[in-house]
Amino acid sequence: DAKTTQPPSMDCAEGRAANLPCNHSTISGNEYVYWYRQIHSQGPQYIIHGLKNNETNEMASLIITEDRKSSTLILPHATLRDTAVYYCIGRSYNTDKLIFGTGTRLQVFP
Amino acid sequence: GAGVSQSPSNKVTEKGKDVELRCDPISGHTALYWYRQRLGQGLEFLIYFQGNSAPDKSGLPSDRFSAERTGESVSTLTIQRTQQEDSAVYLCASSPNYSKHYEQYFGPGTRLTVT
Repeated sequence: DAKTTQPPSMDCAEGRAANLPCNHSTISGNEYVYWYRQIHSQGPQYIIHGLKNNETNEMASLIITEDRKSSTLILPHATLRDTAVYYCIGRSYNTDKLIFGTGTRLQVFP
Repeated sequence: GAGVSQSPSNKVTEKGKDVELRCDPISGHTALYWYRQRLGQGLEFLIYFQGNSAPDKSGLPSDRFSAERTGESVSTLTIQRTQQEDSAVYLCASSPNYSKHYEQYFGPGTRLTVT
């Protein structure tokens, strides 16, 4: 599974877009990029995943660079409830276990 | 519908005692996972069950740790002769059929404190 690197913390003003970067330079061709988040004292929550095309759902957008060595999770209009630790995970489609790093702690402020 | 539930929510035990943690997955989910999260750290994979296949135990840290699952329902994680380094939140997750195995639904966790 690809090793991922994320900044330990970020701040974002409420209502602004939060852009969370992730480097995964060792990702291989069949490895997907997954994002989960963990709000304090809760279990992680799935957000989005992608392989090489940009993806969007009701929670977020995922932008993957053409060389697939990095990606950005975008929360278009951050709210205080988006304050959480965000994990970027690289995983082969045939591997069922998620390998979590230490993630990015996003603090949304009023 | 009901999500993944875990019990107990908190467990305090003395060093050397055995503990049993329970996970009730979402009904119909074939895959079930156990993770451990130490304070301020990311999640560590422990074990994975998928249907009737042999479980993937590659993440269990020692032979004091074991887990069972009855069919596609309840799972129990057992820690024997607990040590202080076992103190952590133990998270269970379940996942629907194989084609959507990337989306794991997590329970609230069991906070284990070994004194």
